[in-house]
Amino acid sequence: GAGVSQSPSNKVTEKGKDVELRCDPISGHTALYWYRQSLGQGLEFLIYFQGNSAPDKSGLPSDRFSAERTGGSVSTLTIQRTQQEDSAVYLCASTYSEGSYNEQFFGPGTRLTVL
Amino acid sequence: GDSVTQMEGPVTLSEEAFLTINCTYTATGYPSLFWYVQYPGEGLQLLLKATKADDKGSNKGFEATYRKETTSFHLEKGSVQVSDSAVYFCALSDLWGVWGAQKLVFGQGTRLTINP
Repeated sequence: GAGVSQSPSNKVTEKGKDVELRCDPISGHTALYWYRQSLGQGLEFLIYFQGNSAPDKSGLPSDRFSAERTGGSVSTLTIQRTQQEDSAVYLCASTYSEGSYNEQFFGPGTRLTVL
Repeated sequence: GDSVTQMEGPVTLSEEAFLTINCTYTATGYPSLFWYVQYPGEGLQLLLKATKADDKGSNKGFEATYRKETTSFHLEKGSVQVSDSAVYFCALSDLWGVWGAQKLVFGQGTRLTINP
């Protein structure tokens, strides 16, 4: 079956522009996570969705970052007024549900470069 | 907060050598522990996991034992192959909140290169 997909795979933007990153989780997975992989910070948690709700946004680095999830499926991470320090690979992962640990399946990531 | 410290690389070995990548953690609860692998050009994949103390996770010849007394989860393989070249991440997850979310806390990653 299809895995987690993310688009675009690469995005180059100019400082100050807004960008939208999309994640399509595995069908039936209710939990969705966004992570960021950058040279300076390693892999860090950004936000978690259970269904359409985001109980924890504590990992979002600033109020320029927001995310939504519609229909309990596709999620969009939006970065407004991008800065050079936003350059990173943004990873999405999905899993069946909360509770005892279920493996998180990761997408291939979106590489964002802010010039 | 919770944290993971792993041996930084890069690590370069010859084929059939013995591999150890050290990983230690700090957590307030009783986390599950994981090793993830990222092969060149591919996404993160779960390599193995252990959910309680003294559990041993194993997969593809790799092993790691959850040691609560030393707060460690070292990755080992007896005989590495060129195809094992990748970046390896140690991680922990602690169920939290009423939603039981499982956010992963990762180490910095160790780049492993195996030469033929």
